[in-house]
Amino acid sequence: KAGVTQTPRYLIKTRGQQVTLSCSPISGHRSVSWYQQTPGQGLQFLFEYFSETQRNKGNFPGRFSGRQFSNSRSEMNVSTLELGDSALYLCASRMQGGNTGELFFGEGSRLTVL
Amino acid sequence: SQQGEEDPQALSIQEGENATMNCSYKTSINNLQWYRQNSGRGLVHLILIRSNEREKHSGRLRVTLDTSKKSSSLLITASRAADTASYFCATDANNAGNMLTFGGGTRLMVKP
Repeated sequence: KAGVTQTPRYLIKTRGQQVTLSCSPISGHRSVSWYQQTPGQGLQFLFEYFSETQRNKGNFPGRFSGRQFSNSRSEMNVSTLELGDSALYLCASRMQGGNTGELFFGEGSRLTVL
Repeated sequence: SQQGEEDPQALSIQEGENATMNCSYKTSINNLQWYRQNSGRGLVHLILIRSNEREKHSGRLRVTLDTSKKSSSLLITASRAADTASYFCATDANNAGNMLTFGGGTRLMVKP
């Protein structure tokens, strides 16, 4: 069974631009979560989607948004990029939206904002 | 904000030695999980311990949980150079919906 796939793996943007990151969960997994990882703040929860509905959102500004499609694939978007948005963005999936069970992570999308 | 704080932040040992990492958290939890991350890669799930469990084993891994002290430890026995990675604890809190809250991680280096 294929793992969680994130694209693109690396990207460079400039301040003020916007970016869209994509995540394909493991087949059969309906819950997709996004995390931001930076050296200073560590791993921080962005949001979780289950059956196309956002179930939970972390403490990030409205410039960070996401969505989930009917095939469970998810995208996240960051608008008006700032230097501090440079980070590794990790997507994780699990089979259902309950509050137990392991997360399966992708390799991440490394965003550099210049 | 981070729920868990891990100790130590960095640990360097020789191959064959045991490595112990500790995690403290703040709120009541449903379960606590440990993940491993090789440099710049995704996280890999290692083990999950539920709030009503005190100890769990998986291969060379041993995890303990003390809910009265809100702390957990991960022991890796007979470490190998391939165990070099960052290790994170993550809590699934009672009132946190479906999110995991990660600690700051312990960077483990195992020297051959």
